[in-house]
Amino acid sequence: GIQVEQSPPDLILQEGANSTLRCNFSDSVNNLQWFHQNPWGQLINLFYIPSGTKQNGRLSATTVATERYSLLYISSSQTTDSGVYFCAENSGNTPLVFGKGTRLSVIA
Amino acid sequence: GAVVSQHPSRVICKSGTSVKIECRSLDFQATTMFWYRQFPKQSLMLMATSNEGSKATYEQGVEKDKFLINHASLTLSTLTVTSAHPEDSSFYICSAPPSGGTDTQYFGPGTRLTVL
Repeated sequence: GIQVEQSPPDLILQEGANSTLRCNFSDSVNNLQWFHQNPWGQLINLFYIPSGTKQNGRLSATTVATERYSLLYISSSQTTDSGVYFCAENSGNTPLVFGKGTRLSVIA
Repeated sequence: GAVVSQHPSRVICKSGTSVKIECRSLDFQATTMFWYRQFPKQSLMLMATSNEGSKATYEQGVEKDKFLINHASLTLSTLTVTSAHPEDSSFYICSAPPSGGTDTQYFGPGTRLTVL
């Protein structure tokens, strides 16, 4: 089956810094989503982005389907951005395959 | 976006008891729902696919007699952990793709199960 790899596994940022999280896939991308899991465990949908670029406030994401990777950009990071960021992929209504996540800590 | 609820959010039980977890899609219908399990500091692992009106499909290594799944309606799926043991302690999360809608999936807030 498809493999999803995320990097870096852990990231510590000073508040206000920018960061880029990467997601690599072993097969063609059909549907791709980025999630933020907050400290209480809730998975928050950030982007549904099988291709192209989207922006939402300080966050943006780019997926290059032909090269099998996606990037999540966080600008001007805040302490509330802390948590685990997952990318996940699926086809149609199949279950999502998750990467192992990037654990982000933003320090004031 | 679509809303998925789970109940209870947290449960502590004694070893040997059974625990039922509900997953509801509040503002859309879902013929399929997915159940995941997440151990501390690990990723989400699919346990089973819940299908409305038919049997659930379980992933390899997941005991179907221990994790009973019932998808009784287009808005409700239940996961029952039978004869729970401490190794079943985990964070259980359900997700649902809206039927006939986009391929985006929405997740419930999760249920933290602790078996003493």
